[in-house]
Amino acid sequence: QKEVEQDPGPLSVPEGAIVSLNCTYSNSAFQYFMWYRQYSRKGPELLMYTYSSGNKEDGRFTAQVDKSSKYISLFIRDSQPSDSATYLCAMSASNNQGGKLIFGQGTELSVKP
Amino acid sequence: NAGVMQNPRHLVRRRGQEARLRCSPMKGHSHVYWYRQLPEEGLKFMVYLQKENIIDESGMPKERFSAEFPKEGPSILRIQQVVRGDSAAYFCASSPSFGERSGYTFGSGTRLTVV
Repeated sequence: QKEVEQDPGPLSVPEGAIVSLNCTYSNSAFQYFMWYRQYSRKGPELLMYTYSSGNKEDGRFTAQVDKSSKYISLFIRDSQPSDSATYLCAMSASNNQGGKLIFGQGTELSVKP
Repeated sequence: NAGVMQNPRHLVRRRGQEARLRCSPMKGHSHVYWYRQLPEEGLKFMVYLQKENIIDESGMPKERFSAEFPKEGPSILRIQQVVRGDSAAYFCASSPSFGERSGYTFGSGTRLTVV
């Protein structure tokens, strides 16, 4: 079983839709949770960072962490064609050495005009 | 302020050759991470380095792979005697402090193709 599971998609939505992306994990030591966006042939770009449980909002993006269920989500409101990319969740434990991140497989999102 | 710079962007090697991938961290960053992304897979951690020091190499294959981050110059990921299975995108990231967990900045990657 992978430490982090993420549905690879692809996910196709119309412009303006609300997008929900999710990851589940098995390691209860994970305390740091991130979402990265990766455009084709580019490096990952940090979108959201959350420590422990709770919600965080930044513009059209909302990240949620439910540690009791070992489940994290990223919501994108009013989705735009420019949001078309692969979204990667990433996590880190407080007991590891340094800042090693464990990534999900990534979900490919396509927003159609 | 330039971001994390990786070169070359694309690298083609024949089986058995050596591949050298370079990474220059962001200005002021002294911590470097290397990740590998295989087709249809997420990023996999390889190694975490501080200048002149390997902090965590738990993700490095035991053979043929090595990494360094000298006092001067870029970090180098070296793959000896490459095989087809080494074909992947290799990403470098940097951070300003030890054990940065709030996310760090990635470069655009080096895409290695072994023929």
